[in-house]
Amino acid sequence: AQSVTQPDIHITVSEGASLELRCNYSYGATPYLFWYVQSPGQGLQLLLKYFSGDTLVQGIKGFEAEFKRSQSSFNLRKPSVHWSDAAEYFCAVGAGAQKLVFGQGTRLTINP
Amino acid sequence: NAGVTQTPKFQVLKTGQSMTLQCAQDMNHNSMYWYRQDPGMGLRLIYYSASEGTTDKGEVPNGYNVSRLNKREFSLRLESAAPSQTSVYFCASNLSLKINEQFFGPGTRLTVL
Repeated sequence: AQSVTQPDIHITVSEGASLELRCNYSYGATPYLFWYVQSPGQGLQLLLKYFSGDTLVQGIKGFEAEFKRSQSSFNLRKPSVHWSDAAEYFCAVGAGAQKLVFGQGTRLTINP
Repeated sequence: NAGVTQTPKFQVLKTGQSMTLQCAQDMNHNSMYWYRQDPGMGLRLIYYSASEGTTDKGEVPNGYNVSRLNKREFSLRLESAAPSQTSVYFCASNLSLKINEQFFGPGTRLTVL
């Protein structure tokens, strides 16, 4: 069965520091991979997606993610975080039959 | 272009009451989904509708029913609400049948007392 693991429940970084959020997936075929962000009290907004091709994908708000098939990972990165990046981040894998399977989420706190 | 809309935004029910959560999309998407979000558990799929006229169970369908009223609208019904159904409910729709990029509504926060 498909699954997604986000090992870090909560991460705190200082404003201006770099960020990496981890995501590992389990899926038999070539995955479609997504990162979503959820601000408090809001719905989910798509940050970026990987379908095929270049393994380094660029998204909105200065985020990028790298697909590593050998490690079954799709980690999210940002070189310098801003206070407005404080939110919850979800990794998801496209699980066939048009369904998405989500990880548990990582809550990001930014220290001023 | 409003995207995916959900009503109501907030609802409080007593155990045993029924209610219907409404979802509509104006992007001409074929597929629609209902998820629930609980702390530490991410989003879990309740039901989905691959196309107008079809519905299928997801991971956690017990206690829920759905109706795909037309291409735009997909409703979720709780016939007899239980405290375990206290959650935030999200509706989503699918841009592409092949790629499965989903767009989400703002959510409905439901409390069952």
